[in-house]
Amino acid sequence: EDKVVQSPLSLVVHEGDTVTLNCSYEVTNFRSLLWYKQEKKAPTFLFMLTSSGIEKKSGRLSSILDKKELSSILNITATQTGDSAIYLCAVEGGGGSNYKLTFGKGTLLTVNP
Amino acid sequence: NAGVTQTPKFRILKIGQSMTLQCAQDMNHNYMYWYRQDPGMGLKLIYYSVGAGITDKGEVPNGYNVSRSTTEDFPLRLELAAPSQTSVYFCASSSRGQGGEQYFGPGTRLTVT
Repeated sequence: EDKVVQSPLSLVVHEGDTVTLNCSYEVTNFRSLLWYKQEKKAPTFLFMLTSSGIEKKSGRLSSILDKKELSSILNITATQTGDSAIYLCAVEGGGGSNYKLTFGKGTLLTVNP
Repeated sequence: NAGVTQTPKFRILKIGQSMTLQCAQDMNHNYMYWYRQDPGMGLKLIYYSVGAGITDKGEVPNGYNVSRSTTEDFPLRLELAAPSQTSVYFCASSSRGQGGEQYFGPGTRLTVT
């Protein structure tokens, strides 16, 4: 059974801190790993990492895929209160028409002023 | 573009009642998905569709049915609602398979009592 584990499950920091969120996975026929941010409503896409694109950066957010360790990290530097959200990691695996996206439980990040 | 829309936003059902959650997208995406999200849990795939007329089961399909008669619409039917179906339901769409960016609707919060 495919599995995605995120850690920590929750995290409280102060504005300006740097945080690292972790995601490890066990999936059949890995294809890609995705990070989403979920505030009060629907998840919004952050990054997709694949074998050909193992590092992505956008502003204060960056993510790295370690295919050897079957894991990924999401870094947020100089955190702001607007970064408070649940961060979801999802991994695409399987093959042919049987591919599927498996989500982790998420990390709840709270950034205090 | 409205993106992905879902109705209703909230609904309370009695045990044994039935209802249909509506989902529509105006991005001409072939792929559409239904997820449920329980508190403290990630998203679990209920059903998905790779195009009009084609649907398939996800991880947790029991108690649900779907249809896809058009590219735009992907309704989710709950028959004989049970308390275990209390959850937040998200519809999503994408232009390619389950990897890559999925666009999510705002969600439907369903309570079965």
